[in-house]
Amino acid sequence: LAKTTQPISMDSYEGQEVNITCSHNNIATNDYITWYQQFPSQGPRFIIQGYKTKVTNEVASLFIPADRKSSTLSLPRVSLSDTAVYYCLVGDGNTDKLIFGTGTRLQVFP
Amino acid sequence: EPEVTQTPSHQVTQMGQEVILRCVPISNHLYFYWYRQILGQKVEFLVSFYNNEISEKSEIFDDQFSVERPDGSNFTLKIRSTKLEDSAMYFCASSQGAVIIQETQYFGPGTRLLVL
Repeated sequence: LAKTTQPISMDSYEGQEVNITCSHNNIATNDYITWYQQFPSQGPRFIIQGYKTKVTNEVASLFIPADRKSSTLSLPRVSLSDTAVYYCLVGDGNTDKLIFGTGTRLQVFP
Repeated sequence: EPEVTQTPSHQVTQMGQEVILRCVPISNHLYFYWYRQILGQKVEFLVSFYNNEISEKSEIFDDQFSVERPDGSNFTLKIRSTKLEDSAMYFCASSQGAVIIQETQYFGPGTRLLVL
């Protein structure tokens, strides 16, 4: 299976923009890239999804380069409540199985 | 807002015992999934289920695991003979369509399984 890797952790302050990148070098051709947020002892919660270029919704933006081997979740003006673990989810190009990224623990400080 | 529910929230069992984890997906969803998350680790895909059969499964999903949709609302994960390493949080998810066609998966709150 291809590796889907993310930075282990990131720190930020309230009001700053945070960018979290996921590397997925063997993503399935037709698969979308989905990002989830997870709080302790809760299920992952959908944030945003895209196929290529840029997608924006009310909480985040997602940037996907042309080769789709990575994606970047952008959280504008984070708040303390954004402290969580963030995962990308993609389909593996060889097996079509769904693979979560390794997760990035974001800590937001006041 | 409709949500995925799971029962029980916590389950403690002895090694070798059978456990059944239950999920009620969102009512108009057609695709169902089970994931596992060992404490402190990432979420891992176990199995996807569509049209009353398994559509994909991971190498974790061996013969000890089975899934079933016994009626129109429940979706269950059975572990036949639990091992210590089965201790984890188990998440159920559902989506209206297949994830690859841009369908969002909605996750339940999870069942924390502890095997002693």
